[in-house]
Parts: sequence; structure tokens; C-alpha cells
Amino acid sequence: EADIYQTPRYLVIGTGKKITLECSQTMGHDKMYWYQQDPGMELHLIHYSYGVNSTEKGDLSSESTVSRIRTEHFPLTLESARPSHTSQYLCASSQDRENTEAFFGQGTRLTVV
Amino acid sequence: GEDVEQSLFLSVREGDSSVINCTYTDSSSTYLYWYKQEPGAGLQLLTYIFSNMDMKQDQRLTVLLNKKDKHLSLRIADTQTGDSAIYFCAENESGGGADGLTFGKGTHLIIQP
Repeated sequence: EADIYQTPRYLVIGTGKKITLECSQTMGHDKMYWYQQDPGMELHLIHYSYGVNSTEKGDLSSESTVSRIRTEHFPLTLESARPSHTSQYLCASSQDRENTEAFFGQGTRLTVV
Repeated sequence: GEDVEQSLFLSVREGDSSVINCTYTDSSSTYLYWYKQEPGAGLQLLTYIFSNMDMKQDQRLTVLLNKKDKHLSLRIADTQTGDSAIYFCAENESGGGADGLTFGKGTHLIIQP
């Protein structure tokens, strides 16, 4: 079983609030990712990181930001939540080698009202 | 660019075999993956196949790869109600890459009693 955790599992929050979605992994993986999964279930990469102090934008533009101060943590922040941010957010990590099997967390389902 | 295509739905009777198909465009793909997502959960890696292999079998799962046609399939023998989930095909390029895997849109497997 993968050792990657996301909190909270579910979050309902009002418009304009600042939120941080937590993601932690204990596998020592350098690479970490955030995916947004829309109602049609398609996965979109929104952020990724090569390692500490590395953050990059993914394929889908997102108003969220990420940080990577420690290898284990890759939090995602929305400064001012809006209903359009309502989605499922999935965090993943992988080793830095050719077979980049990604391990996923359970996801955070965010609802902005 | 990279593209991974899957049918959105597949309905099978309990006890029958399920075959989920996937096509990809990136000829440099090294590893191809099948992930399973149950309702409200993250993605779980089911199996993967290296691009120089034609077939891989693991208990009830059989993966077939036709590299010439860029076609990947997942066969689930003796489909059970617990197999009901969304199945994602994914690929990564040779040498990996910090932007991780490219996913298909997922195939919803529906089991009829």
C-alpha cells in the first residue's frame, strides 16, 4: 500500500476563503504531482515538483499555488476559493527513475459554496 | 502532443471477461500503466507493461500491447462486482519526465448481475 496521504478528504468552504490542501508521502520520492479531476473524471496535471524548492505548472492552468520546502510535503493553496474551484484534487508521487510509476493519495474533494 | 484515448463506458455481465482498450500516440512511450479508481478513492496501480513486451499476465489480469498499432488492452477474467470502477490507461515517455504520466479519460466498467 502506498504511503501518501492527503488531508482533508472532504472540504466544504465559502467563497473567498483561503485554503490549503495537504499532501505528504513517506517514500522519499523526489517527484510529486497535483492532479485535478473534473466531474467527467478526466485527470488534469496542474502542478509538479522535481524536488525541494522546485515547482512547475502543469498542463492545465490553475489559480492554485504549491510549495516544496520539504521532500515529504507538497501543499496546494488557493488564496481565494471560488465555486469554479470545486473539484477533486489528487496528489501523487514517484521515484526519479525510468519506470515512473506514480502512487496516489485518496484525494481531497473540495466544494466551494 | 501526447494523447491517450479510451472508451468511456463498458458494461459486462458478472462472470464474463472484460476487455478495456486504450490507444496512445507517443511512440517513445517506455512504460504503459493501468490504474483503477473506485468511487471516492485515489488511483491504484493495477499493472504495468514495458514497451518491449507483448503480454503480461497477473492472476485475473492480462495486458496486451501492440506497439505497432499503439494499442493497449486490459482483460479482466471472471469479472466480479468488486471490479466495478473507473480504469485509466497511462503512458510515460522514455526517460521519464517530471511532468509524470499522461492519462486517458478513464473507462467506467459497469457490472451487470
